[in-house]
Amino acid sequence: RKEVEQDPGPFNVPEGATVAFNCTYSNSASQSFFWYRQDCRKEPKLLMSVYSSGNEDGRFTAQLNRASQYISLLIRDSKLSDSATYLCAVNRAGNQFYFGTGTSLTVIP
Amino acid sequence: DTGVSQNPRHKITKRGQNVTFRCDPISEHNRLYWYRQTLGQGPEFLTYFQNEAQLEKSRLLSDRFSAERPKGSFSTLEIQRTEQGDSAMYLCASSLTGSAEKLFFGSGTQLSVL
Repeated sequence: RKEVEQDPGPFNVPEGATVAFNCTYSNSASQSFFWYRQDCRKEPKLLMSVYSSGNEDGRFTAQLNRASQYISLLIRDSKLSDSATYLCAVNRAGNQFYFGTGTSLTVIP
Repeated sequence: DTGVSQNPRHKITKRGQNVTFRCDPISEHNRLYWYRQTLGQGPEFLTYFQNEAQLEKSRLLSDRFSAERPKGSFSTLEIQRTEQGDSAMYLCASSLTGSAEKLFFGSGTQLSVL
């Protein structure tokens, strides 16, 4: 079983829409959780960490559900510039970071 | 620029040749990771260092791959006798150990094996 699984999409949404991505992880010992954004042919860039209590950064909200072992990312009021691939990542102390395959988002005018 | 730096950005080689990539991490970061990514996939772990010690190596990594971080600063990844299946983006990332460890990536080296 993969450490991290994501729905690859693609998600095609109109500007202004709200879109949500989920990511599940298999190891309950996972301690740190992240969302990365990756533009075509570029490196992944850290979007936000995900905290147990949930956290928000502008139009982006990340949540963690330890009981069900999933993390989510909600994007409100989608902009054309949000079009990218969103990768979730998990980490256990002293271990590598595990990445999902990414979810592709295209925001349509 | 104080981010993670990788060289070269692109490498085209013929099958059977050896290639070497370099990564310079963020200066205060003690951990350095190598990942490989192909189209439509997430980054796949290859190996990582804490200072100069190589702490983990993927079981998927064949013995044609070797990485070093001799002084705990920059790192090199060498692929010997390249195969077409080695064509991928090779990403380096660095982090600082601690309760809030976060991974920061370089711009990668795109390898094409002909």
